[in-house]
Amino acid sequence: DTGVSQDPRHKITKRGQNVTFRCDPISEHNRLYWYRQTLGQGPEFLTYFQNEAQLEKSRLLSDRFSAERPKGSFSTLEIQRTEQGDSAMYLCASSLSAGGETQYFGPGTRLLVL
Amino acid sequence: GQNIDQPTEMTATEGAIVQINCTYQTSGFNGLFWYQQHAGEAPTFLSYNVLDGLEEKGRFSSFLSRSKGYSYLLLKELQMKDSASYLCAVRSNTNAGKSTFGDGTTLTVKP
Repeated sequence: DTGVSQDPRHKITKRGQNVTFRCDPISEHNRLYWYRQTLGQGPEFLTYFQNEAQLEKSRLLSDRFSAERPKGSFSTLEIQRTEQGDSAMYLCASSLSAGGETQYFGPGTRLLVL
Repeated sequence: GQNIDQPTEMTATEGAIVQINCTYQTSGFNGLFWYQQHAGEAPTFLSYNVLDGLEEKGRFSSFLSRSKGYSYLLLKELQMKDSASYLCAVRSNTNAGKSTFGDGTTLTVKP
């Protein structure tokens, strides 16, 4: 257990539905990242926050994806109008900007879109 | 952009030593990480190199050559529980904190 938690751990939804995932980082970490991982691939960067500011968003990320970190603590990732291609593991990681930038990952949310 | 290459699969015998290589091309290097990922689980941090040379941590060691764009992870005294995917990730200094991951090397340890 790295101290990063994610909820839910598994989500099955029908195509076209909206889903929202939550990540609670290690409490003193100011940076929070979202990644997506499919089988046989490494984690693919989606977006990252420093405190409450979203500093970068992947160009691969469509407008259906949005992330927030309203108080600089937990974060949510929402996918609207899900598609089958969205099926993946969604990983959250956190780091301390002054601490060598090692990212600690949560257990992930596995999404299956039917 | 960044390009990271590592072998897709490796097999080794329990008790042996295995070296997993990673080569990278990046516009501005600011550190290389190795992570271990068991099937269905999240990556866990193994090592971090930002300067050339060898970092040793128990049975695991990681080496970096910035001039060659090359790193390796060395696992000694292999155990069955070391069967996992090993991910190489490179951080660029053009995007503070963002790391780009390779696709991982799946290591199978056989008795």
